Amino acid sequence: DAMVIQNPRYQVTQFGKPVTLSCSQTLNHNVMYWYQQKSSQAPKLLFHYYDKDFNNEADTPDNFQSRRPNTSFCFLDIRSPGLGDAAMYLCATSRGRSSNEKLFFGSGTQLSVL
Amino acid sequence: DQQVKQNSPSLSVQEGRISILNCDYTNSMFDYFLWYKKYPAEGPTFLISISSIKDKNEDGRFTVFLNKSAKHLSLHIVPSQPGDSAVYFCAASHKYNNNDMRFGAGTRLTVKP
Repeated sequence: DAMVIQNPRYQVTQFGKPVTLSCSQTLNHNVMYWYQQKSSQAPKLLFHYYDKDFNNEADTPDNFQSRRPNTSFCFLDIRSPGLGDAAMYLCATSRGRSSNEKLFFGSGTQLSVL
Repeated sequence: DQQVKQNSPSLSVQEGRISILNCDYTNSMFDYFLWYKKYPAEGPTFLISISSIKDKNEDGRFTVFLNKSAKHLSLHIVPSQPGDSAVYFCAASHKYNNNDMRFGAGTRLTVKP
């Protein structure tokens, strides 16, 4: 089945230690997104790629970076995780950027920062 | 800025009855609205959507109603089933910028047998 896969499901890192979360998709979608969701809050868009074109949200901290080496893979790098970065990180894809596009989500990576 | 709000964090309904989940939005530039359903340990999955040119969209047991003047939408599930127990997210897509899709915080629905 075509899908969005996130690894790992759970990630524990130390305060200040860089961490990378990964996402892959078999849907061949053009757009890949990273959302951050803290407990009982709405998912918040961090950035997205339209093909190779990177689009950062204005309020995404510089501590968060992303890479998309090819259509299938996208990575979220947190350069110096703080306690406030503990959250669920959701990767999503869509075919395009029309307003009526629906998103396809992975299962998420739950990040803990010790 | 919380542009999409789901004011009820949880809802409990008896099996067979109607479940009504509500969502309010503030941005008049939103023109497409979606509901996603999330089970524990899974990502959200698309459930149903509605364009701003419509006021109702139905898909089986699920119906979404849109009241543009009130900037309000609701999801009706009839009849509710225990398998519908999940977190439901309302989302709204911007007319000129789909990448500005905003989500509500979710409503946890519990359907009791």
